[in-house]
Formats: sequence, C-alpha cells, structure tokens
Amino acid sequence: GQNIDQPTEMTATEGAIVQINCTYQTSGFNGLFWYQQHAGEAPTFLSYNVLDGLEEKGRFSSFLSRSKGYSYLLLKELQMKDSASYLCAALDSNYQLIWGAGTKLIIKP
Amino acid sequence: IAGITQAPTSQILAAGRRMTLRCTQDMRHNAMYWYRQDLGLGLRLIHYSNTAGTTGKGEVPDGYSVSRANTDDFPLTLASAVPSQTSVYFCASSGGRSGTDTQYFGPGTRLTVL
Repeated sequence: GQNIDQPTEMTATEGAIVQINCTYQTSGFNGLFWYQQHAGEAPTFLSYNVLDGLEEKGRFSSFLSRSKGYSYLLLKELQMKDSASYLCAALDSNYQLIWGAGTKLIIKP
Repeated sequence: IAGITQAPTSQILAAGRRMTLRCTQDMRHNAMYWYRQDLGLGLRLIHYSNTAGTTGKGEVPDGYSVSRANTDDFPLTLASAVPSQTSVYFCASSGGRSGTDTQYFGPGTRLTVL
C-alpha cells in the first residue's frame, strides 16, 4: 500500500533550527510537496521537490532522496508564527497526492 | 473573488439529510479536488476533476458525488449524510492536468452530522 510517515509532534525553541522528516512509499513517484497548515486554516504550499537534493527558499529548505524514499523540511531562525502543522505529500504514478497526517510543530520562547 | 471560496463555512446537519458543499475558483485552473481532513489522519481525496466535464473517484468516494459543469465550480453533494461524514472539507485547485502543479486550497467547510 501507499504510506507517508512523519512525526506527530515536535517542539523547538524560537530562533533555533528544526528538521521535520518524512518517509514515503508510493506506487510510482512524481514529486514531494510540503505544505504548512495553521490551526483552523487551509494548507498553504511551501515547496516541491522532484529531483534529489536541497531546495532553499528563505528560512525554509526542503531535501529529497528518491533512492531512500525520504524528505525533510528544514526551518531556520524559528519564529513564533512558524507554530503550525507541516504536511508532507507524495505524488504517485497516477499524479494523485498521498498525504501524511502532518507534524504539529510547537515553538517555545 | 480571489482564489478559492467555499460555502458554507460550517454546518450542522441531521443524519439522512442531503447537503451540497460549494466551491468556486477564479484562477481558471483546470483541475479541482475535494478532500476531507480528520484528526490524526492525512488529507484524503474524495473526488477530483482534471477538467470541466470530467470527474474521477479518489480514495474515499462512497457517499459523495460531484459535478463539474464549468471551469469555476465544483460542488460536492452528500446524498444522505451519516455521522462518519463529520469532518473538515477542503476544496483545492491546480493549473495543470498532470497533477504536478501546486494545489491551492479553499478555507474549508466544517461539517457536523448528528
């Protein structure tokens, strides 16, 4: 079956760095998305990786290893507003997104 | 309108009643999607449409139906609501038909079926 695994919850300190991991098993693979979702709001797009390597976008970076079925989202210089859930989603061979349950990130002062 | 709108924002519904959740986008996107989001579970695809006039079933289509008469609108209908359909429903759209384009989400509809 198809599966996305990511930690349920993580805690980090304001100003620090945090890495949120995601492993995926899908029938075929056409890329990996990360979304941010604040409580009570809609998911918003953060990044898309289809090739191996690191994509940097400001304070956020996303890494992909296709051979390992692994991705991570790296958040630097954490701010209180980064408290949210981070959703990992893999695009399968039918170009449908398979979603993880999300990682709730708690930022402490 | 800017982006995707959904209506209603929230609804409490008696079991057995019929309900239509509305979704409208103004980005001229080809593809549209309906998801449900339940606590502890990932977003699950209910139905999708790659272009106006076509629809497809997602992971959890039972009890739901959709139509795509035009590019902008993609309503989701619950023919006879059951308590297990209590959830937050998100509509999304993307520009391309291949699925690699970014999906943009509406604000969601919180539905409670009693």
